[in-house]
Amino acid sequence: GAVVSQHPSRVICKSGTSVKIECRSLDFQATTMFWYRQFPKQSLMLMATSNEGSKATYEQGVEKDKFLINHASLTLSTLTVTSAHPEDSSFYICSAGTGPYEQYFGPGTRLTVT
Amino acid sequence: TQLLEQSPQFLSIQEGENLTVYCNSSSVFSSLQWYRQEPGEGPVLLVTVVTGGEVKKLKRLTFQFGDARKDSSLHITAAQPGDTGLYLCAALDNYGQNFVFGPGTRLSVLP
Repeated sequence: GAVVSQHPSRVICKSGTSVKIECRSLDFQATTMFWYRQFPKQSLMLMATSNEGSKATYEQGVEKDKFLINHASLTLSTLTVTSAHPEDSSFYICSAGTGPYEQYFGPGTRLTVT
Repeated sequence: TQLLEQSPQFLSIQEGENLTVYCNSSSVFSSLQWYRQEPGEGPVLLVTVVTGGEVKKLKRLTFQFGDARKDSSLHITAAQPGDTGLYLCAALDNYGQNFVFGPGTRLSVLP
């Protein structure tokens, strides 16, 4: 149980375009989903907390207009990187919470902006 | 901002050896999690500890939560190459709002 999927697993896009990443909880309902980014050889950095039916809460320093988050249902959250630039290239990981103590992570999406 | 520190940052050992990695903070946490992450994949939850002094065992892995709930350790007995990965600790603060990750310990177990 507690499986989280992400799509796509890898994406390459040109600078200036937008990319959408989907995060789905497959066998449970998640009222809260989290989005992280991870640079090579570094730990995960929380970008935003996504709550179903309400606006996402962004961490300090994360541009909400650049990283658009939509949590339309209890099983789906999307992250759209708008007007992507090479510095946005990273490993983006989502997680879904089943309770206050545990999160289950998706497999991640490798974004490369050329 | 509550910070988690992990040590060592890197660890390379031979198969069969034992090792311990640490996760420390100056803050008190309501719970703490350990994850293992392999390259190109998301972290996989290993264990959650919630009670000060708690010890949990998962096959060859032993996790301990400090009495004051500020630190934790992960001990691996007879390490195997399959244990290779990035070990991350993460914690939820007492308000249940901030979820932070440590910088990780990168473990390499050589055959």
